[in-house]
Amino acid sequence: AQSVTQPDIHITVSEGASLELRCNYSYGATPYLFWYVQSPGQGLQLLLKYFSGDTLVQGIKGFEAEFKRSQSSFNLRKPSVHWSDAAEYFCAVGARTGNQFYFGTGTSLTVIP
Amino acid sequence: DTEVTQTPKHLVMGMTNKKSLKCEQHMGHRAMYWYKQKAKKPPELMFVYSYEKLSINESVPSRFSPECPNSSLLNLHLHALQPEDSALYLCASSQGRTVEAFFGQGTRLTVV
Repeated sequence: AQSVTQPDIHITVSEGASLELRCNYSYGATPYLFWYVQSPGQGLQLLLKYFSGDTLVQGIKGFEAEFKRSQSSFNLRKPSVHWSDAAEYFCAVGARTGNQFYFGTGTSLTVIP
Repeated sequence: DTEVTQTPKHLVMGMTNKKSLKCEQHMGHRAMYWYKQKAKKPPELMFVYSYEKLSINESVPSRFSPECPNSSLLNLHLHALQPEDSALYLCASSQGRTVEAFFGQGTRLTVV
């Protein structure tokens, strides 16, 4: 069965500090992988995606993520966090056939001055 | 245009009311989705339409009735809802197998 695990429910970082949000997935084959961000009361915005090829992918707003097949992980990173990055972050797995996403439980990011 | 537009943004309805949520996209996407999201939780898939046909219904109660009038529009008809149905309802679309979904801003539904 497919599943996505985000071990950290809540993370607090200081503005300017680096950030890493963890994501582990369980899937029968290499899936499509995504990170989405959601500000309170808003929809989800795609930060980045991995389909194939280079395992380090760059996204919007200075985010990057690295796909590690051996660890079934797709961790999100940012070298220097801004106060506007405070939001909920969801990792998602997409089936390579069909039209389904599986979301992780989310990580809430707080940024302190 | 990479937008998915949802209307209304907010909706308050009584348990005996009938209302509809609307979703529109002009990206030529052939898959459209309805998700329900409770506070502090991930989105839960409700329905998937593929090429205007209902392809996935995640055992959603019949008081929620989806409709896809054409490839750009997706509706969710609501009838006899319960207070526990209060949530953020998100629409999304994707270009089939690329599975990269674009989400609307959602409709905040409150059932009183």
